[in-house]
Amino acid sequence: DVVMTQSPLSLPVTLGQPASISCRSSQSLVHSDGNTYLNWFQQRPGQSPRRLIYQVSYRDSGVPDRFSGSGSGTDFTLKISRVEAEDVGIYYCMQATQWPGTFGQGTRVEIK
Amino acid sequence: EVQLLESGGGLVQPGGSLSLSCAASGFTFGTDSMTWVRRAPGKGLEWVSIINTGGTYAYYADSVKGRFTISRDNSKSTLFLQMNSLRAEDTAIYYCARGNNAQYWGQGTLVTVSS
Repeated sequence: DVVMTQSPLSLPVTLGQPASISCRSSQSLVHSDGNTYLNWFQQRPGQSPRRLIYQVSYRDSGVPDRFSGSGSGTDFTLKISRVEAEDVGIYYCMQATQWPGTFGQGTRVEIK
Repeated sequence: EVQLLESGGGLVQPGGSLSLSCAASGFTFGTDSMTWVRRAPGKGLEWVSIINTGGTYAYYADSVKGRFTISRDNSKSTLFLQMNSLRAEDTAIYYCARGNNAQYWGQGTLVTVSS
């Protein structure tokens, strides 16, 4: 199985400041079809997860443009350009290139 | 609007069985694979199982293989998860999600395995 490793696991951020979460996979996530199926999810307290980013860098509909994804191969990053109060929650990367799909451990974002 | 509504959770004793359902609406159910994901108390998200569009192929996490069975009824736009030989470590909120890449999620249903 592909192991997904996130860092940091806890991220205290000042409102209005940027935040960055790293996600590394144990194998390349480039699929045989040429696409890279790396997704980012946000889970706010008491809510279901919500997908923010798919295929590394494509933002889902309705996701604020302060969220961006980048990376390739085995190294990926989620960035929040200016953290807002509503961004508090746990963020997960997930690979769907190879089954079983696998999630990172999650990164808890909190306001300082 | 895409909606996924899970049901069937509850309290069950270790070794018991439970069947979860996920009713889908707002999209053509039969054209998407479907995924089950769970989150145990104090833990992160765990991918559980996936089924292809026609219901002819399924894949499971090692932690549930041989105990859980995923299925679907495209005529009723419903996804199922039959859970047998339940263990305390299966206690979690179970979510269904649309597609390989989990584009949309339901609100989840809580399964508690305890004596």
